[in-house]
Amino acid sequence: SAVISQKPSRDICQRGTSMTIQCQVDSQVTMMFWYRQQPGQSLTLIATANQGSEATYESGFVIDKFPISRPNLTFSTLTVSNMSPEDSSIYLCSVATGGADTQYFGPGTRLTVL
Amino acid sequence: QKEVEQDPGPLSVPEGAIVSLNCTYSNSAFQYFMWYRQYSRKGPELLMYTYSSGNKEDGRFTAQVDKSSKYISLFIRDSQPSDSATYLCAMSAGSNAGNMLTFGGGTRLMVKP
Repeated sequence: SAVISQKPSRDICQRGTSMTIQCQVDSQVTMMFWYRQQPGQSLTLIATANQGSEATYESGFVIDKFPISRPNLTFSTLTVSNMSPEDSSIYLCSVATGGADTQYFGPGTRLTVL
Repeated sequence: QKEVEQDPGPLSVPEGAIVSLNCTYSNSAFQYFMWYRQYSRKGPELLMYTYSSGNKEDGRFTAQVDKSSKYISLFIRDSQPSDSATYLCAMSAGSNAGNMLTFGGGTRLMVKP
């Protein structure tokens, strides 16, 4: 498994602003993922972020809205740009470690957009 | 039709009951099956992980996979109030599919003292 931390844990944001969420892992991992969980809903994958390559976005998510950085094997950021109330969600990062075909999740970042 | 179906609940049971949580799926390529537990305002926590068909037991938890029926289950014995959470099933076709997980919608479980 892996220990994953996220910053901030929560924030209240104004419409039209951007927020950058940080994800830190205690070990080097190749694959990191970013998810969105809207209130009362399950998890929706935003993008896969592999170190050394551009992030791969899922249908309905674009780089201009959700730019991602992956500068090394233990860290990634997700920016939510030009936020609207519809972006109010929990944002989660996860990692796939070792040879396991599964993922471990961070504690999440709860964003509320007013 | 969603790729993974899961009854949203809520499921309310008395303390000590046996709980059965289930998911059905349509993609026969799924080979890895997971159950996550998510407490309110927390990230999902990996609870059980199984590969292909069969059973796996860990303490009070048993995961079952029936690939022929495309049906997976999580059983919780002697349920406790601390088991109250949302349980998410998740599935993967493995590294050939980029380790992508497909989640069910989650079942909210409430165990009453």
